[in-house]
Amino acid sequence: NAGVTQTPKFRILKIGQSMTLQCTQDMNHNYMYWYRQDPGMGLKLIYYSVGAGITDKGEVPNGYNVSRSTTEDFPLRLELAAPSQTSVYFCASTRQAVNQPQHFGDGTRLSIL
Amino acid sequence: QKEVEQNSGPLSVPEGAIASLNCTYSDRGSQSFFWYRQYSGKSPELIMFIYSNGDKEDGRFTAQLNKASQYVSLLIRDSQPSDSATYLCAGPLRGGSARQLTFGSGTQLTVLP
Repeated sequence: NAGVTQTPKFRILKIGQSMTLQCTQDMNHNYMYWYRQDPGMGLKLIYYSVGAGITDKGEVPNGYNVSRSTTEDFPLRLELAAPSQTSVYFCASTRQAVNQPQHFGDGTRLSIL
Repeated sequence: QKEVEQNSGPLSVPEGAIASLNCTYSDRGSQSFFWYRQYSGKSPELIMFIYSNGDKEDGRFTAQLNKASQYVSLLIRDSQPSDSATYLCAGPLRGGSARQLTFGSGTQLTVLP
């Protein structure tokens, strides 16, 4: 009963490095999302996907890229890490039907130094 | 104007009291709302959702939706120290086509033993 799994849990990057945050879900959900949460703040949507091969930008997409080659996986890529990207990143998924809640992974805590 | 706004708190209540958390929203067309609980350093966890006017009860939690006044509230009866967390209100993102949610910034609740 894994739900939404994110890796890694913690990571420290140097400015300018790149990395991929992994997210996989085993609930056969069509919709998947990436959020970032800065200290004391709510969640901001970075990118989302309505199914394999389909992605779109959220509120704060700059500096990030995504892909969705399978229903299960939705990785988030940072190409040139900047200190402003220091945050906690959450991946979530939901079913296509209306009024369905989003299920969250445990998050990735990322620091850019 | 933010789509979903919460009284930012922090809110402190004594153990056994009723905690009242409030959220207002700007989109009159919004149909459903979710309350998530987030412990420090953890991911958001769904505790209640409501999509019809009136009250919805689940154990010690009651969600209230008033579409005419555009507010959503969460009441926690017999508050326990384990209820100490940040509570996030979420509603549908205006114009969202993929079940996107917009989150309030959260209300930090502390239940004092």
